[in-house]
Amino acid sequence: NAGVTQTPKFRVLKTGQSMTLLCAQDMNHEYMYWYRQDPGMGLRLIHYSVGEGTTAKGEVPDGYNVSRLKKQNFLLGLESAAPSQTSVYFCASSWPRQGGGYTFGSGTRLTVV
Amino acid sequence: DQQVKQNSPSLSVQEGRISILNCDYTNSMFDYFLWYKKYPAEGPTFLISISSIKDKNEDGRFTVFLNKSAKHLSLHIVPSQPGDSAVYFCAASPKTSYDKVIFGPGTSLSVIP
Repeated sequence: NAGVTQTPKFRVLKTGQSMTLLCAQDMNHEYMYWYRQDPGMGLRLIHYSVGEGTTAKGEVPDGYNVSRLKKQNFLLGLESAAPSQTSVYFCASSWPRQGGGYTFGSGTRLTVV
Repeated sequence: DQQVKQNSPSLSVQEGRISILNCDYTNSMFDYFLWYKKYPAEGPTFLISISSIKDKNEDGRFTVFLNKSAKHLSLHIVPSQPGDSAVYFCAASPKTSYDKVIFGPGTSLSVIP
């Protein structure tokens, strides 16, 4: 019963490097989300997807790209990492209805130096 | 400007007493409200929710109260237990986009044995 799995759990990047964060869910959820958590800011939505092949921008999309080629996977890419992208990143998934809340992964702690 | 506010960054309560976590919101379009609980190094987990058509929702030791006129909600935990020590996030979603949830900055609850 894996739920939502994020890889990697930790990563240190140098400014300007690129990387991809992988999120996989095994609950057949339609909707998937990427959030970042920063001290005093709560969780802020970066991008989300309402189904395979779809993506949309959230509150703080700049500097990130996403893809949802398969229903169970949602990838978050950083093309040229900046220190401002140092954060904890959470992926979540849900059914397209209110009431059940989201299922979150355990997070990826990213440091950009 | 934060649409969901949790003005107390931290709260300490004795075991067995009541914990009251508060949340204020500014967007009158918010229609659905949720509380999430987060332990260190884990993702947030859904705790309890309330629709704007209700003013109270109960689930075991957890009760959420909603005051729409004041744009205020609160989470009551009775009795508080040491295992309740965690960060609690208040969240809200607008009627037009139930799956675009806005999170508050969180309140760290410590329950002292």
